[in-house]
Amino acid sequence: DQQVKQNSPSLSVQEGRISILNCDYTNSMFDYFLWYKKYPAEGPTFLISISSIKDKNEDGRFTVFLNKSAKHLSLHIVPSQPGDSAVYFCAALGRHTGTASKLTFGTGTRLQVTL
Amino acid sequence: EAGVAQSPRYKIIEKRQSVAFWCNPISGHATLYWYQQILGQGPKLLIQFQNNGVVDDSQLPKDRFSAERLKGVDSTLKIQPAKLEDSAVYLCASSLTSGRLEQYFGPGTRLTVT
Repeated sequence: DQQVKQNSPSLSVQEGRISILNCDYTNSMFDYFLWYKKYPAEGPTFLISISSIKDKNEDGRFTVFLNKSAKHLSLHIVPSQPGDSAVYFCAALGRHTGTASKLTFGTGTRLQVTL
Repeated sequence: EAGVAQSPRYKIIEKRQSVAFWCNPISGHATLYWYQQILGQGPKLLIQFQNNGVVDDSQLPKDRFSAERLKGVDSTLKIQPAKLEDSAVYLCASSLTSGRLEQYFGPGTRLTVT
């Protein structure tokens, strides 16, 4: 049961253009959403997050949009740079067993930013 | 600040053998996680520790996998005996507390079972 889905396994964007990475979820109990970036042979690195009570969060070139009614979020990178080429994971955080929280990851989207 | 350390980085074993992975979290981080990432999939939580106690091990195949964090600092994850389907990257992560959003990941251990 894939509760967090990233339906695009790969995306290619030209340098300077906007990259849009999409993520869908099924569990309405998720209360935070996070994006992680992963380079080869490294662990995922936290990029940006959004609370379920917000619809937008911005940090420099990165903006995450949340549409709760559609159970959909997206990560926008503007402008895209070659160093952004990586695998991006969407993750959702749901409270369980008291205050403990659990991250559920999507399958990832490989972004390639071309010159 | 030193990051999450893991060793070994790579391991190749035959099926039915045993293997152990080690993780040292960021200093002061009370919560430690072990994830399994199979090729083409996202990381899947295996076990979560708060200090030296287990918070969640619902997805840990307990017939073959075990993990411990005896002194509430570093941790080991063991597989015995290994199966072909255990081939994956094993990621360790830590966070200040279980309620914090940000988890800091180590580089992972790539396990190949032949």
